[in-house]
Parts: sequence; C-alpha cells; structure tokens
Amino acid sequence: DAMVIQNPRYQVTQFGKPVTLSCSQTLNHNVMYWYQQKSSQAPKLLFHYYDKDFNNEADTPDNFQSRRPNTSFCFLDIRSPGLGDAAMYLCATSRAGQGSEKLFFGSGTQLSVL
Amino acid sequence: AQTVTQSQPEMSVQEAETVTLSCTYDTSESDYYLFWYKQPPSRQMILVIRQEAYKQQNATENRFSVNFQKAAKSFSLKISDSQLGDAAMYFCAYRGPGNTPLVFGKGTRLSVIA
Repeated sequence: DAMVIQNPRYQVTQFGKPVTLSCSQTLNHNVMYWYQQKSSQAPKLLFHYYDKDFNNEADTPDNFQSRRPNTSFCFLDIRSPGLGDAAMYLCATSRAGQGSEKLFFGSGTQLSVL
Repeated sequence: AQTVTQSQPEMSVQEAETVTLSCTYDTSESDYYLFWYKQPPSRQMILVIRQEAYKQQNATENRFSVNFQKAAKSFSLKISDSQLGDAAMYFCAYRGPGNTPLVFGKGTRLSVIA
C-alpha cells in the first residue's frame, strides 16, 4: 500500500528540456518535501511546503520550481536541466508536529540528463 | 546552522555480529530529534529508529539501538545480530523543533559479510 508515490521511477530528459516530476500522497500530511540525492551523497533539501506555505532553501537554484495544487500532490519542475541535475529526486511527507514526526519517503525518481 | 557528521564512509560486519555506526551533530537547540534512516540499493528511505532529545533513555527497536550522549552531541547506532538484509547506506539525521526539515549526514555504507 504505497503511501507516497513518485512518478515516473526513471525519467530521461535532454539538456535544457523542461521536465516535471510528480509526487502524490495518501496520508493527508500537511508537509511535503523535495530532496535531491546525487550518487553516494546525502539527500539535500530543495524546498518544502507547510500546507500551501512554500519554503525555498537558500542554495536551491532558480532552475528548480515547485507547485502544490492541493494536499495530495506536489510537483518539481526543472526549467532547463543541466548535466549536473542528474540525480535521484526524493519526495517525502510528514504530519505537522513537534519535530518527532517521521518522514515518509517515496521511492524516488531517478533523473538522467542527456 | 545545524550539521550532522558521519565519520565512517564505509563499515563492514560479519553476519550475526554487532556493529556500531557513529554520528555527531552540532546544534544550539535544546529541543530536537534524531533519526537513523536506512537506504538499501532500491533507494527507498526507511526509518530505523528515532530519539527525542529530552528523553534520557536510549531508543531501541528490536536489533537496533542507539547510544545517545546529549552533552557530547553524539548519536551512534548499534546493530546486533547483523543480517544480510542490513546491508545498506545508513544516514543519521537531525530535526529541530517544530516543522523544520531533516538535515542528513553524508551516510555510512554498511556491508554484511556472510
């Protein structure tokens, strides 16, 4: 019973061609996160939503945008992918709380840029 | 800014033996939460164990336990009776109070030798 679903599992795009990754959740969690994880590295937070309140990390490139049209869905848009954007993109959700709430992760989308 | 340091890029353990993974962190907060996540080759992030900083008692989950030393800002993970399925990347993570996002360490790759 998948709770955080990311589509597609693998995505191939061309250099400079816009691409959108999607994430949906059945948990009704307030908070949704997008992490970028490059090979053999720690996940790096790009941005997160608390309900509709968008929070961008200071070092997230302008090339990355996000949309959250409703509680269940969140999208990551990469406007002009470069070779350096090839990575695993992880979506996660959590309930709003005191910080002890665990994050539920999707299976990720592996993005390749040709 | 909070930082999480995992000083062991790779570790190995014999099946059925015990292994300890190290983690230190830096924070000025008194209220926070610590986590260990496991990421197998499938790349799915799985919560292993969590600890609330206000609790003195070390968390345990079956074969997994932590040694939480608040004054030393240390949070090590002990895996007892190691199994082949424990082979994975292990990430230590910190979360401050409220809805602040997780900050990950760089990870420790654990190999289990049959």
